[in-house]
Amino acid sequence: EVQLLESGGGLVQPGGSLRLSCAASGFTSSSYAMSWVRQAPGKGLEWVSAISGSGVSTYYAEAVKGRFTISRDNSKNALYLQMNSLRAEDTAVYYCAKIAGASPLYYFDYWGQGTLVTVSS
Amino acid sequence: DIVMTQSPDSLAVSLGERATINCKSSQSVLYSSKNKNYLAWYQQKPGQPPKLLIYWASTRESGVPDRFSGSGSGTDFTLTISSLQAEDVAIYYCQQHYSTPQTFGQGTKVEIK
Repeated sequence: EVQLLESGGGLVQPGGSLRLSCAASGFTSSSYAMSWVRQAPGKGLEWVSAISGSGVSTYYAEAVKGRFTISRDNSKNALYLQMNSLRAEDTAVYYCAKIAGASPLYYFDYWGQGTLVTVSS
Repeated sequence: DIVMTQSPDSLAVSLGERATINCKSSQSVLYSSKNKNYLAWYQQKPGQPPKLLIYWASTRESGVPDRFSGSGSGTDFTLTISSLQAEDVAIYYCQQHYSTPQTFGQGTKVEIK
């Protein structure tokens, strides 16, 4: 059974940093791309970033490019999102999502429960 | 970026009646060489993460009831719930995964009339 468990969310001041983690189980991590998708309170879904199964290729939304870094450790079945220079508009629930193929150009077949990031002074 | 536009924003349907949600992309998401539309549909209930319903525009995910169906090609797509059940109350999103950034529609809220 595929399981994705996010952690690392919390309250952070504007300009601060946070590192999200996603523990994956139930599948061979290196065979699948992974992604982060966020949802601001009461709003729709917004794709944030993706990484190929090997970890070699990374992709970012324009809104986070240069501030966020996605990475993975396939030996630990883990996905990460380093978030720097956080802004109020980054406040959202961040979901870890498994992509149904090795490249990002597939759909999301499994989602974690999400972790809330609140950026406020 | 490919813009995804859903209609309507919300709809109220009687139990057992049909619900239809439309999704239009600003450019084609049909990958011609593979003859696949890179379009997926998700269901999100309150307090829960999204759940995959349909992929490749019309392939139902394992375990999804057959009252859910997807159709369309190129730029115009439809999600149909043939006989609405109480447990189908949710927000439904379409998503293109043809190119990055992957983009979602704004969502359609389905309620019981």
